[in-house]
Amino acid sequence: ETGVTQTPRHLVMGMTNKKSLKCEQHLGHNAMYWYKQSAKKPLELMFVYNFKEQTENNSVPSRFSPECPNSSHLFLHLHTLQPEDSALYLCASSQETGTTYEQYFGPGTRLTVT
Amino acid sequence: GQQVMQIPQYQHVQEGEDFTTYCNSSTTLSNIQWYKQRPGGHPVFLIQLVKSGEVKKQKRLTFQFGEAKKNSSLHITATQTTDVGTYFCAGLTGNQFYFGTGTSLTVIP
Repeated sequence: ETGVTQTPRHLVMGMTNKKSLKCEQHLGHNAMYWYKQSAKKPLELMFVYNFKEQTENNSVPSRFSPECPNSSHLFLHLHTLQPEDSALYLCASSQETGTTYEQYFGPGTRLTVT
Repeated sequence: GQQVMQIPQYQHVQEGEDFTTYCNSSTTLSNIQWYKQRPGGHPVFLIQLVKSGEVKKQKRLTFQFGEAKKNSSLHITATQTTDVGTYFCAGLTGNQFYFGTGTSLTVIP
């Protein structure tokens, strides 16, 4: 248990559905991240929030919409996804962004888009 | 753009054999972190290297940061079945960590 929880753990959705992924960290960290992990590809950083402010948006399609209401919670809102969006979505947190801070990952949400 | 490559992509070893994975960056890194992801699990932080030429050890694991701070290696001595998983490096450039492609290690009992 790393102190980072994600719900749901598994999600199957159609291309016309709207769903949200939730991440919560109990570590008192100020930075939170969304990553996409697909088979045979490196971890892809999607979004970074530091002190609730979005600091990175790595050219992610607008069908993914992040929300960070406070330093402990992070959401990823999904709508009109494509089958190629099927992947493991990992949330992580760290004390702050960059420099020497290690990241603590949640268990991930396994997303399947049908 | 920034790229962090790891080789090999896959490695199968007999239990007791040594294992090494290499991480190479196209640019100079401020520091490098290593993570391990067990099958079906999530990445877990192992260690961070900051100084040029730095070497750190954790029991049977030896981590090294290159002199030019563009490459790093992880060496496991006498592998055990508990070492199974994917090992990722993550290099810091600017304010962002870039994860490597990972090396998947299988240990045959």
